[in-house]
Amino acid sequence: GENVEQHPSTLSVQEGDSAVIKCTYSDSASNYFPWYKQELGKGPQLIIDIRSNVGEKKDQRIAVTLNKTAKHFSLHITETQPEDSAVYFCAASIKTGGFKTIFGAGTRLFVKA
Amino acid sequence: NAGVTQTPKFQVLKTGQSMTLQCAQDMNHEYMSWYRQDPGMGLRLIHYSVGAGITDQGEVPNGYNVSRSTTEDFPLRLLSAAPSQTSVYFCASRSRPGAIGNTIYFGEGSWLTVV
Repeated sequence: GENVEQHPSTLSVQEGDSAVIKCTYSDSASNYFPWYKQELGKGPQLIIDIRSNVGEKKDQRIAVTLNKTAKHFSLHITETQPEDSAVYFCAASIKTGGFKTIFGAGTRLFVKA
Repeated sequence: NAGVTQTPKFQVLKTGQSMTLQCAQDMNHEYMSWYRQDPGMGLRLIHYSVGAGITDQGEVPNGYNVSRSTTEDFPLRLLSAAPSQTSVYFCASRSRPGAIGNTIYFGEGSWLTVV
């Protein structure tokens, strides 16, 4: 069935460094790729998303890239800050149709001050 | 506008007990769903609903029931709790697919322990 693989499972960076989280998906029909940030004790919240007709999208310190041919997409966080520490989930879905959003297993990001 | 509200936040159950996790949204979203989150497993879909009166199974539906009598509410029932159902449960809602700003909104989570 559909699958989303996310790497790494844990990432530790120094404040100010960049962090990159990578995901691959299996369903070639997927056309919507959101990223969620989950802080301790809270529900996931959308931080950025990308649709299949776009290769890259930026929002301040975060950016997402998509390679549809290779079925890869990545989250890039620059100038990391301690408040970026959280669990990040990637997901892939078919935007039209049913409720089929498949989530990656998550990446726990630690930003050391 | 409270978003997605789920209760209770914490619950301890004995094996075999039943309970209902409540979920309500005030955004007039058609789609609602329940996920469970386990370490290293990400978010797995339990049941979902595409509108009042319509529900369907997700990836891990066994041991859970849902109903959708109104657009706002989507309760999740554990029929006979088992230790394997110890998890964090998230309710989520979104507008219909294809709509502009088609974001999934999550509740704050319900921590359930079955002993």
